[in-house]
Amino acid sequence: GENVEQHPSTLSVQEGDSAVIKCTYSDSASNYFPWYKQELGKRPQLIIDIRSNVGEKKDQRIAVTLNKTAKHFSLHITETQPEDSAVYFCAASNTGTASKLTFGTGTRLQVTL
Amino acid sequence: DVKVTQSSRYLVKRTGEKVFLECVQDMDHENMFWYRQDPGLGLRLIYFSYDVKMKEKGDIPEGYSVSREKKERFSLILESASTNQTSMYLCASSSSWRELFFGEGSRLTVL
Repeated sequence: GENVEQHPSTLSVQEGDSAVIKCTYSDSASNYFPWYKQELGKRPQLIIDIRSNVGEKKDQRIAVTLNKTAKHFSLHITETQPEDSAVYFCAASNTGTASKLTFGTGTRLQVTL
Repeated sequence: DVKVTQSSRYLVKRTGEKVFLECVQDMDHENMFWYRQDPGLGLRLIYFSYDVKMKEKGDIPEGYSVSREKKERFSLILESASTNQTSMYLCASSSSWRELFFGEGSRLTVL
């Protein structure tokens, strides 16, 4: 089955700096890659996703890049703010949908003032 | 707003007890999911359902069963709870197969 590795497990950045979280996947048939954000004590929420026919996608301060050859994808957050502090999960699916997502182990991002 | 409601936020059960975790969504979503969240392991899919009375195993179905008698309700059942099932359980629903809407979670402790 699919295996998704996520690094780093914790990340501390100063407000205004950029943060990058990386994930690798094992199933070359994977074609859908969402990112979820879980604030402390709250439910995970989708923040951005990308499909395998696209190399990069941006939404304001958030961007995701995908390298199908290397089987890795990354989340980039620019101009970080305290409200970006949360646990971020990457995930992958080979169905093109969220029907059978395999999640990474999560990255705890701390944005310090 | 999509609302996914899990009936119990915190439960404490004893080894061997039968446990029911209930989840209700109010958006007429076809698809519903049960995940387990453990520190350092992320979210792991236990079961999902894409229609009433339909279910499919996820990555870690052992020790669990599910029931979906009505479209809006998806139940997770632990027939005989064990200590290694102590965890946070998250229910989710979706309509487009794109975005999962999660519930608040049910933290289960098995003593």
